[in-house]
Amino acid sequence: GAGVSQSPRYKVAKRGQDVALRCDPISGHVSLFWYQQALGQGPEFLTYFQNEAQLDKSGLPSDRFFAERPEGSVSTLKIQRTQQEDSAVYLCASSLVQGKGEQFFGPGTRLTVL
Amino acid sequence: AQTVTQSQPEMSVQEAETVTLSCTYDTSENNYYLFWYKQPPSRQMILVIRQEAYKQQNATENRFSVNFQKAAKSFSLKISDSQLGDTAMYFCAFMEYGNKLVFGAGTILRVKS
Repeated sequence: GAGVSQSPRYKVAKRGQDVALRCDPISGHVSLFWYQQALGQGPEFLTYFQNEAQLDKSGLPSDRFFAERPEGSVSTLKIQRTQQEDSAVYLCASSLVQGKGEQFFGPGTRLTVL
Repeated sequence: AQTVTQSQPEMSVQEAETVTLSCTYDTSENNYYLFWYKQPPSRQMILVIRQEAYKQQNATENRFSVNFQKAAKSFSLKISDSQLGDTAMYFCAFMEYGNKLVFGAGTILRVKS
């Protein structure tokens, strides 16, 4: 079976543009997570879904960041009015069960804001 | 808030030798999970090994094993018989029962031939 996929793999945006990053989790996985990884650092939690419900969005850095998972499978992370500090790799992960399940990561989307 | 500290930014090891990567964490929780993830230059994060805090026995996965010291809040990773393919960034991560992972800053491991 396919793993977690993310698209696009690379995105270059001009400052002020809106971007949308897509995550396709492993089929049947209940939980979905978004992380932000700055260059040379560990990933940092952004938000978490269980099915279509967004249970934790405490890591979203500002109200310019918005995530959704309307049908409980594919998720989109949207960043409005991008700024240079948004440049990072955005990782998506999914797990079969909540809590103790292993999180499987996608390859990430590298966002560069000029 | 939980924190994870990896004090070794970079490590090197000769092929076939053994290396230990350090990790400490801080939490007030009693039930939680600890992980080591590997991130090769291609950037796909891969789970190496997992430890459940309520288990006394240290986890092992082939050449990978951990030394879990709950009282000291320490969780080190030992890689035996190091291989060139082990070259990667290694992240220690903490998960309380429920959801998100909290990662350390990572340790770059270089295996030399």
